[in-house]
Amino acid sequence: DVKVTQSSRYLVKRTGEKVFLECVQDMDHENMFWYRQDPGLGLRLIYFSYDVKMKEKGDIPEGYSVSREKKERFSLILESASTNQTSMYLCASSAYGGQGNEQFFGPGTRLTVL
Amino acid sequence: AQSVTQLDSQVPVFEEAPVELRCNYSSSVSVYLFWYVQYPNQGLQLLLKYLSGSTLVKGINGFEAEFNKSQTSFHLRKPSVHISDTAEYFCAVSYAGNNRKLIWGLGTSLAVNP
Repeated sequence: DVKVTQSSRYLVKRTGEKVFLECVQDMDHENMFWYRQDPGLGLRLIYFSYDVKMKEKGDIPEGYSVSREKKERFSLILESASTNQTSMYLCASSAYGGQGNEQFFGPGTRLTVL
Repeated sequence: AQSVTQLDSQVPVFEEAPVELRCNYSSSVSVYLFWYVQYPNQGLQLLLKYLSGSTLVKGINGFEAEFNKSQTSFHLRKPSVHISDTAEYFCAVSYAGNNRKLIWGLGTSLAVNP
């Protein structure tokens, strides 16, 4: 069974802290994605990666960076967390050109920044 | 610009009643279409997808959707809903020539009442 895991389900951090969200997939997928989800705004793409060490900005990259050193792992970094980054963060992966670009999701990390 | 519109942000319905969640996308020659479901505090899971072939697609939990190319729609239906269908539903589209990303609707919140 395909699987995407995220390091934490719930996370509470303080303003100014550096925050790492980790995502791991076991499907040998080329593409990995980080979204944030807020009520009424749907899923907004922060960054995605199409290969190891390769990344592209999504729609809302400000305040975030990413790292992909291994194919199965994609990390989202909040360099200095702020209260407006309180949100649900979802990681997804997909195979290049596979099944119409169907994405597989992790369970999400609900981040609260105080 | 490529876009997906979910015409209803909230749909209240009584248990055992039929339901239709509407999705329209901006026109393109070739598309792949998806419906995902998100139960509270969980990630997204695939309900069904249209890649090619029959325009009527059947998915999990008794849901089905119909691809209508002339109306650029992909509406989701279920003839009789259960309390357990209460969730957020997302429509997504992948366009030919965009081999990685999905374009997402803002979601429809389905509330099934007893």
